[in-house]
Amino acid sequence: GAGVSQSPRYKVAKRGQDVALRCDPISGHVSLFWYQQALGQGPEFLTYFQNEAQLDKSGLPSDRFFAERPEGSVSTLKIQRTQQEDSAVYLCASSSSWGVDTQYFGPGTRLTVL
Amino acid sequence: GDSVTQMEGPVTLSEEAFLTINCTYTATGYPSLFWYVQYPGEGLQLLLKATKADDKGSNKGFEATYRKETTSFHLEKGSVQVSDSAVYFCALSRAGAQKLVFGQGTRLTINP
Repeated sequence: GAGVSQSPRYKVAKRGQDVALRCDPISGHVSLFWYQQALGQGPEFLTYFQNEAQLDKSGLPSDRFFAERPEGSVSTLKIQRTQQEDSAVYLCASSSSWGVDTQYFGPGTRLTVL
Repeated sequence: GDSVTQMEGPVTLSEEAFLTINCTYTATGYPSLFWYVQYPGEGLQLLLKATKADDKGSNKGFEATYRKETTSFHLEKGSVQVSDSAVYFCALSRAGAQKLVFGQGTRLTINP
């Protein structure tokens, strides 16, 4: 299990429900990223952590989106009061250093909001 | 802001054909450039990268050269195989910004 893992792999939510998506990065990786990938599009940046510090959250689309990484390892992306436009694949990636480095991606969580 | 523009797909080729997928970028400074690939049912994987002008990244028979004068990073392969069928994403990252900026992806299908 050396790769990035994400859970759940699939999530169906009714509009208005809260959801929590989990990411387990590669052990020892300092940097962790969340991306949102709409159908047929490239991933779009949401937020970035260096250890437990959230250094960039410029991509979060609204204050309904919240991410945390309290111990500098596992991260959770929470979406409150989900809307249909939140339906997408949410990708987590980690990298080993502070500089521009290869990001290793997890399989993603496909969120469908009905 | 930073952006990446890729050749629109889908692209369909026969096995052993020559492949080019065009990618151009807009960015301040000198970004690092990447090609990621997403095989059916799998996650994004790094295919190759280049970190400075005139660098050539290569892997699995694919190549791309960082061309600063034309702000391009076109992906090429001399002889494609059915197993190369996937979605290919061009991306950039600037030092200090960390995040990847992706193009919209190009779906490639190789027929036997």
